[in-house]
Order: sequence, then C-alpha cells, then structure tokens
Amino acid sequence: SQQGEEDPQALSIQEGENATMNCSYKTSINNLQWYRQNSGRGLVHLILIRSNEREKHSGRLRVTLDTSKKSSSLLITASRAADTASYFCATDSQGAQKLVFGQGTRLTINP
Amino acid sequence: DSGVTQTPKHLITATGQRVTLRCSPRSGDLSVYWYQQSLDQGLQFLIQYYNGEERAKGNILERFSAQQFPDLHSELNLSSLELGDSALYFCASSVYAGVYNEQFFGPGTRLTVL
Repeated sequence: SQQGEEDPQALSIQEGENATMNCSYKTSINNLQWYRQNSGRGLVHLILIRSNEREKHSGRLRVTLDTSKKSSSLLITASRAADTASYFCATDSQGAQKLVFGQGTRLTINP
Repeated sequence: DSGVTQTPKHLITATGQRVTLRCSPRSGDLSVYWYQQSLDQGLQFLIQYYNGEERAKGNILERFSAQQFPDLHSELNLSSLELGDSALYFCASSVYAGVYNEQFFGPGTRLTVL
C-alpha cells in the first residue's frame, strides 16, 4: 500500500498562478521528499524536508511538513508552462531503508 | 541529464520470456535502486543495492532478481514475463544507502510484454 497519498490527483491552473499540492502519509517518518516527473521520464528530486523541520524553501518551491497531521504541502509560486509535470511525495518509514512514493499529482499549467 | 544511464530504452517481448535491464549509476554513487512504474500500481520500490550488497527489498516478485557488479553497474532480470509486467522500470542511484539521500533517476526502460 502507498505510504504517501497526494491530493489533488490532478490540478490545472493558469500560468503565473500558484499551485499547491498536498501529501498525506500514514506512519512516522524520518524525512519526506518531493520529486517531479515529466511525462514518461525519470523523476527529478526537488526538495527534502526532515521530520524536525516545518518549512523549507528552494527557489519558487515551498514545502511544509506537519508531523502531527502526517501531511506535507508543496507550493509552486508564479507557475510556468515548464512546471507542467507530475509531482510525487516520497516518504520513508522509521526503521525502513526505502522510500515509498505516492500516486502523484498531475499539474497542468495553461499558457 | 541525471548521470544515470539505463539500457535499453524500450523492450518489447512475449509472455514467458526473460529480459535483462541494465543500469549505470552516477559516477561516485554506491547505491542503486530499482523501481517499477505502472498505471495501476504507481511507482513501486523493488530493490536496493549498496556497494554490491543487497540493502533493502520492496515489492519484488520472485520471478525478478537483481545484482550489482564490482564496477557498480546493476542489472534487473525479469523472467517468466507476464502481461502485467509491462511497465516503466527506473533505476536510481545515490551516494550513500540511507533514505536521507537524494536519489537520481535514470530515464527508464519501457517494457512491453505481448
């Protein structure tokens, strides 16, 4: 079963708008990572947030983590057409040596 | 370009056959991961090797096996193929073995079983 589940499954917005994607998970984690996948290609690592961090920024990306709610959000500000992709959260389970990926959010940026 | 290479890019084969997928990690990376991505199952972790040794195992079928060679490249062997094995197979690599490490993904091998 999936550890992380993204919401929404699909999101379509206009260029320049902000996009927010959410990830919920079930068990305690050491860290949570976000990846991007362009259609049919390999995943690209975006950002990693540790369980003792609450917020992290990288360029136009902002990630928050709420361990009490077992949830994370990825905010992309000032979206661009090139941001069109699927976005996955990946979590580890404490004690496990593997990442578990959610089903992803398909983001479409309309020009 | 992540620096991770996978061959072949596409593979079409028949049920019951056996195939081998190859992965070369980024220079300096000791850890290799294999994932399967399909429409119904999403991205599933299969197995991880670190410096030649199996490190973690996920949802890998008994018909599948993998190994990492002394030069750190890895191969994923899929045998007695079934229609349901059709998927994208990704290899990823990282410097170390732990889950804190960023993983760099290859472009994938698209396997079609007819």
